[in-house]
Amino acid sequence: QVQLQESGPGLVKPSETLSLTCTVSGVPINNYYWSWIRQPPGKELEFIGYIHYSGGTNYNPSLKSRVTISVDTSKNQFSLKLASVTAADTAVYHCAREVYGSFNNWGQGTLVTVSS
Amino acid sequence: EIVMTQSPATLSVSPGERATLSCRASQSVSSNLAWYQQKPGQAPRLLIYGASTRATGIPARFSGSGSETEFTLTISSLQSEDFAVYYCQQYNEWYTFGQGTNLDIK
Repeated sequence: QVQLQESGPGLVKPSETLSLTCTVSGVPINNYYWSWIRQPPGKELEFIGYIHYSGGTNYNPSLKSRVTISVDTSKNQFSLKLASVTAADTAVYHCAREVYGSFNNWGQGTLVTVSS
Repeated sequence: EIVMTQSPATLSVSPGERATLSCRASQSVSSNLAWYQQKPGQAPRLLIYGASTRATGIPARFSGSGSETEFTLTISSLQSEDFAVYYCQQYNEWYTFGQGTNLDIK
């Protein structure tokens, strides 16, 4: 059974860097594409970007200048960093496994609030 | 960016009845469309991909149809556990989601 679990601070100050980790169990991370998706309060889901276990990445153009996704195959984890956050980055952040374009498995999500 | 528009925003249906949810794309996405179910506090669950293929373990009462710009998710006989928010997502050009349809009990 594939499971994903997000972890990281729930509160980040404006202008700082948001950092989250997704721990994957039930399947080796050495396959598939691993993604981050967020949902601001009252808004639709927004795709942030993905990483392949080999290290290849692709980011949402609207966030590309601020996003870094990395993978640690030894820990079966992948991570998200979003720099220079503002209140507009307040959202529930999900990690997910992509298979041929759709997202087969998701983490429950973690709320990150940007506030001083 | 391809914009996905779902209708209605809220749909009230009685248990045992049929529910029909719609999703429209701002340009053709071929059959590169998925549907998800999300309950409060839970992760989204993949229901349908390729516009009409049920994901593993999804009951046969869920069916998807459509292509290009018009898509439908039908739940043939609503069970109590089906009341949730449903999202469509296109993956023909990048990835974008609809705003969701809240399916609640009438």
